[in-house]
Amino acid sequence: DAGVTQSPTHLIKTRGQQVTLRCSPKSGHDTVSWYQQALGQGPQFIFQYYEEEERQRGNFPDRFSGHQFPNYSSELNVNALLLGDSALYLCASSLSQGEQYFGPGTRLTVT
Amino acid sequence: QQQVKQSPQSLIVQKGGISIINCAYENTAFDYFPWYQQFPGKGPALLIAIRPDVSEKKEGRFTISFNKSAKQFSLHIMDSQPGDSATYFCAARNDHFGNEKLTFGTGTRLTIIP
Repeated sequence: DAGVTQSPTHLIKTRGQQVTLRCSPKSGHDTVSWYQQALGQGPQFIFQYYEEEERQRGNFPDRFSGHQFPNYSSELNVNALLLGDSALYLCASSLSQGEQYFGPGTRLTVT
Repeated sequence: QQQVKQSPQSLIVQKGGISIINCAYENTAFDYFPWYQQFPGKGPALLIAIRPDVSEKKEGRFTISFNKSAKQFSLHIMDSQPGDSATYFCAARNDHFGNEKLTFGTGTRLTIIP
């Protein structure tokens, strides 16, 4: 049984560009959460998707948006990239109110 | 506002010793407290979790102690091994439907020396 998978593994973008990150949840999970982890810090909650709707959002600007598909996979989109957006982006899947299981992350570098 | 404070920032323990990491929280609505282990280049892996209706939970060499009145909880790793060398994060959540974001501490880098 595959766990949470994320793609791509690494990504380098230029300031002002847009990026899309992808996540496939663990089999049977219906909820996907996205976190940003800056170097040397704990993960910060971006938002959570359940039944294809954004259910909860952290303190991130509207440049960060997402989507959940009928098969429960999810995308994170970031527009107008800033240098400060460089981080490890983590996807976590769960059953609603269940334990969250994290993927390996996508390392985004903005130059 | 940081709602979960974690200490120490780094910890060095001899093989076979006990590693102790502490966390304190502010939001009394938190009612689920997991610990995650993260190796370099990997995502956090759930280690053990506790709810405030119990004061201690043990799984193998890992124990969570929970003090509701002090709003503190800690992770104890018994018989620490070199393979335990990783970064550990405590987290907290208000475990109600639709409000499931995890709030993480800043992490503790644990190094187990021979």
